[in-house]
Amino acid sequence: EAQVTQNPRYLITVTGKKLTVTCSQNMNHEYMSWYRQDPGLGLRQIYYSMNVEVTDKGDVPEGYKVSRKEKRNFPLILESPSPNQTSLYFCASRPSTGAGGPDNEQFFGPGTRLTVL
Amino acid sequence: SQQGEEDPQALSIQEGENATMNCSYKTSINNLQWYRQNSGRGLVHLILIRSNEREKHSGRLRVTLDTSKKSSSLLITASRAADTASYFCATARSGSARQLTFGSGTQLTVLP
Repeated sequence: EAQVTQNPRYLITVTGKKLTVTCSQNMNHEYMSWYRQDPGLGLRQIYYSMNVEVTDKGDVPEGYKVSRKEKRNFPLILESPSPNQTSLYFCASRPSTGAGGPDNEQFFGPGTRLTVL
Repeated sequence: SQQGEEDPQALSIQEGENATMNCSYKTSINNLQWYRQNSGRGLVHLILIRSNEREKHSGRLRVTLDTSKKSSSLLITASRAADTASYFCATARSGSARQLTFGSGTQLTVLP
């Protein structure tokens, strides 16, 4: 089944304790992206990656890191989490080529609910 | 910054009625997409309309785009209780089509 998976789905942690949220897709998509969703603010893009070893900042990259060593994986790293990073996080992917790059729909993972105490 | 803003923020209708949601945006776009999110779940793509298109249909969905007013509308006809969800518009900006910018969403409740 074509899908985007995220782990963990739920995480409660404390300020300053490094964590990684994994994201994996099995659709051979070039483009992957991370978003955070907060009440009243919709989804805001954190980082995106056009392909392996190519990453760029989105609208709210502060406090986050990403890497893209393999096409299928795009982990989100919080080196020193703070309470303002408490949020619902989504990973998404889409093809960059074929029907038209940005005209392709994005496929979303199920979300990771993170609480930083 | 928020590119798309949906209106209304919340909408409650009876089953069988039509639901209309609007989206306004600020800059030139490559395309506009609508997504649906069931409570606590990931987003699911509904429909995409390109900047050179004015109207598009998919099943019970009808999307319009007015680039002169920088606005779009999503119409769901003959709504069902299962349509209850949040609906988001997302824009791929011209010249920066690598990013998709989402609005804050419309919460639709369809009462049985």
